[in-house]
Amino acid sequence: EPEVTQTPSHQVTQMGQEVILRCVPISNHLYFYWYRQILGQKVEFLVSFYNNEISEKSEIFDDQFSVERPDGSNFTLKIRSTKLEDSAMYFCASSTTGGTYGYTFGSGTRLTVV
Amino acid sequence: AQSVTQLDSHVSVSEGTPVLLRCNYSSSYSPSLFWYVQHPNKGLQLLLKYTSAATLVKGINGFEAEFKKSETSFHLTKPSAHMSDAAEYFCVVSETGGSYIPTFGRGTSLIVHP
Repeated sequence: EPEVTQTPSHQVTQMGQEVILRCVPISNHLYFYWYRQILGQKVEFLVSFYNNEISEKSEIFDDQFSVERPDGSNFTLKIRSTKLEDSAMYFCASSTTGGTYGYTFGSGTRLTVV
Repeated sequence: AQSVTQLDSHVSVSEGTPVLLRCNYSSSYSPSLFWYVQHPNKGLQLLLKYTSAATLVKGINGFEAEFKKSETSFHLTKPSAHMSDAAEYFCVVSETGGSYIPTFGRGTSLIVHP
């Protein structure tokens, strides 16, 4: 069964550093998403991406965040200057028709900011 | 606008007994509803989905859910719990015709006792 692949699985970074989280969505999917889950809290929407641009974003997705689809296969989330409170599990997801038939999530990247 | 409420933060059952995880939703459009499971330190796995076809939906590992429009509910059930079912379960809603962004419930932790 097709999978969404996320790398790395774990990342530790120093406060103030830039990090890039990488995702390879399912090849025929057109909609891409990033979510985060702070330990013990709910899964929160960050941003959705369609047709090479952001289609929606949440209040969490401020100027320190950016997303990019640099080629035909990767979808990245960049955090410019990490803060302690950015420590979380970050999930990438993709879907075909805007989610009517479900969303496929990756296994996540656990980001720890120290 | 859409929202989802998982009525129990924790559910504890004995192995071999039925499981009921409750979910209520709110949606201005026709909802698509999903249940995802997250095992410790793992990603989000789709259990089952409702997308306006049959109201009783069967998923993987013996789980099923029934869409009840009159009650705005989408409860997850399983006739007989197994130790391997212990995990976090998320009810998710998205709107066909509205925002396709999936919105997560807070999650229900299922504990299975021997």
